[in-house]
Amino acid sequence: GAVVSQHPSRVICKSGTSVKIECRSLDFQATTMFWYRQFPKQSLMLMATSNEGSKATYEQGVEKDKFLINHASLTLSTLTVTSAHPEDSSFYICSAALGPTNTEAFFGQGTRLTVV
Amino acid sequence: SQKIEQNSEALNIQEGKTATLTCNYTNYSPAYLQWYRQDPGRGPVFLLLIRENEKEKRKERLKVTFDTTLKQSLFHITASQPADSATYLCALDPSGAGSYQLTFGKGTKLSVIP
Repeated sequence: GAVVSQHPSRVICKSGTSVKIECRSLDFQATTMFWYRQFPKQSLMLMATSNEGSKATYEQGVEKDKFLINHASLTLSTLTVTSAHPEDSSFYICSAALGPTNTEAFFGQGTRLTVV
Repeated sequence: SQKIEQNSEALNIQEGKTATLTCNYTNYSPAYLQWYRQDPGRGPVFLLLIRENEKEKRKERLKVTFDTTLKQSLFHITASQPADSATYLCALDPSGAGSYQLTFGKGTKLSVIP
């Protein structure tokens, strides 16, 4: 199956700093990628849809200026958490799909962000 | 309001038995429903997708049913093994258009006891 890779898998940062998370589709091109966030014992919550070559679309309640998304190529989307605070500590996961005729979404392994 | 609920937060079963997990949804009309497996500290892994016009889908020891009248999907693992222990998530596309912008349930943590 298709592989989606996230980097880093874990990151600890100081409050007020910014953190960039990368999501790569390793063996396929993804015009659209999705970013989710998961708090402990909670469901994955869709944050935004990342579109190659255009602006991301954000779900209601997600601050676009805080969570910057760049999808500059067909195999790479990045999520930057700006001015991170402890409440941003969470598990961030990206996904991508092969296309409209494929039924499966592929998820990265996730990034555990801890803001201290 | 729209909800997707997985009734059991945790389920313990004996090895070899069939595990049955439930997913109910309210105020959605999904074109399909998906089931994923998530291990601790990892991203979800796709297991099965069932479309609204399908009653049942099978893959090896896995079986999914979909009842659009009851607004419910059941996920079965037959001949369960300790390696099946994980959290199982159901997910749907709220738009009903078959996109990949998924809404997930909280999951059911399955523990298969040897």
